[in-house]
Amino acid sequence: SYELTQPPSVSVSPGQTASITCSGDKLGDKYACWYQQKPGQSPVLVIYQDSKRPSGIPERFSGSNSGNTATLTISGTQAMDEADYYCQAWDSSLRVFGTGTKVTVL
Amino acid sequence: EVQLVESGGGLVKPGGSLRLSCAASGFTFSSYSMNWVRQAPGKGLEWVSSISSSSSYIYYADSVKGRFTISRDNAKNSLYLQMNSLRAEDTAVYYCARVQVAVADTPLDYWGQGTLVTVSS
Repeated sequence: SYELTQPPSVSVSPGQTASITCSGDKLGDKYACWYQQKPGQSPVLVIYQDSKRPSGIPERFSGSNSGNTATLTISGTQAMDEADYYCQAWDSSLRVFGTGTKVTVL
Repeated sequence: EVQLVESGGGLVKPGGSLRLSCAASGFTFSSYSMNWVRQAPGKGLEWVSSISSSSSYIYYADSVKGRFTISRDNAKNSLYLQMNSLRAEDTAVYYCARVQVAVADTPLDYWGQGTLVTVSS
């Protein structure tokens, strides 16, 4: 089965840039999207189709996807961005989520 | 405003059954594919099942295939998940989620608040 691997945790200082990677076999040949989940809340879509932002998502969230790695970048990270982040892609007709990354804003 | 409200969760013994419901409002339910996604306590997201707008296409994760059945009633704006032969590892918060249309990778653009299913003796 297809697997998407993320680092368990990423730490970032307020105002700095956080990069979260998502690795999978030939992931760059697929589309990747990203979800943010704050404690006790439901997931929220923050990036789709590799790099597009849904309405209402701040411009500091951006995405890229090439080779075997998709990356979610948070520029000028704010305290409110502290959350778990999950990448997601497709394997045939099955939706696959990444292992998740906890972003801590120190 | 798009709203998805799950119900039907609770405590069930191993081997038992449970039926989850998701009531949708604020959009034309019959035009959208829907998904169920679950999250075990303290764990990550796991996709469970999907159903197309007219129920023509249905898919399941290997972990639930043969035990869970997804269905929908477009007249009632409702999505369902019938869960049979439940196991301890099915313990999770179950979310229903809408599939975004007209987008190549069909992400999940709206999620419900989730309903907790606990399988324990």
